Amino acid sequence: QRVTQPEKLLSVFKGAPVELKCNYSYSGSPELFWYVQYSRQRLQLLLRHISRESIKGFTADLNKGETSFHLKKPFAQEEDSAMYYCALSDGYGNKLVFGAGTILRVKS
Amino acid sequence: EPEVTQTPSHQVTQMGQEVILRCVPISNHLYFYWYRQILGQKVEFLVSFYNNEISEKSEIFDDQFSVERPDGSNFTLKIRSTKLEDSAMYFCASSIRGYTFGSGTRLTVV
Repeated sequence: QRVTQPEKLLSVFKGAPVELKCNYSYSGSPELFWYVQYSRQRLQLLLRHISRESIKGFTADLNKGETSFHLKKPFAQEEDSAMYYCALSDGYGNKLVFGAGTILRVKS
Repeated sequence: EPEVTQTPSHQVTQMGQEVILRCVPISNHLYFYWYRQILGQKVEFLVSFYNNEISEKSEIFDDQFSVERPDGSNFTLKIRSTKLEDSAMYFCASSIRGYTFGSGTRLTVV
């Protein structure tokens, strides 16, 4: 199991679209998550692929063919600036495997 | 909304000393975890705990680490003889369907 977030830092202007990339390697049917961490605080769940909901304007679609779970937002806001982690679980109760994280910086 | 509580928020300890990090998971959760995050690095899995025993552990979780659920509510991580490289943020998490993380304990070994 591996989760890859290729960008360490993504810097965008306020109002611009955002896409944080996440690719995974796992042979079965994983559960994918996005977590957000503001200023080294606790990890907060942003999205999980099975719920298919939008939180704070963010969405993510699981693409099994491309093994990707990219996080998107059409219009970035300054308060979106944080560290974003993509994570994978291979089953109920099993551990989460995290990607290296991407720092999103939204400039005014 | 229920939270996972961790104490202390920051602990400084001398190299070679034992430390115990404490966590109170969400009461109806069944699975418990410890993760660590060394400054500037990614979040790493240490150990998972279910039904009063370790269900999985990583290579990091060697003999100097142990976990316990002594009283049915607290979930502790003990590091027997701390090393400088144990300095990190340690996160506890619990799960029933999704994973909820605590705010972490910053451990500094000097």
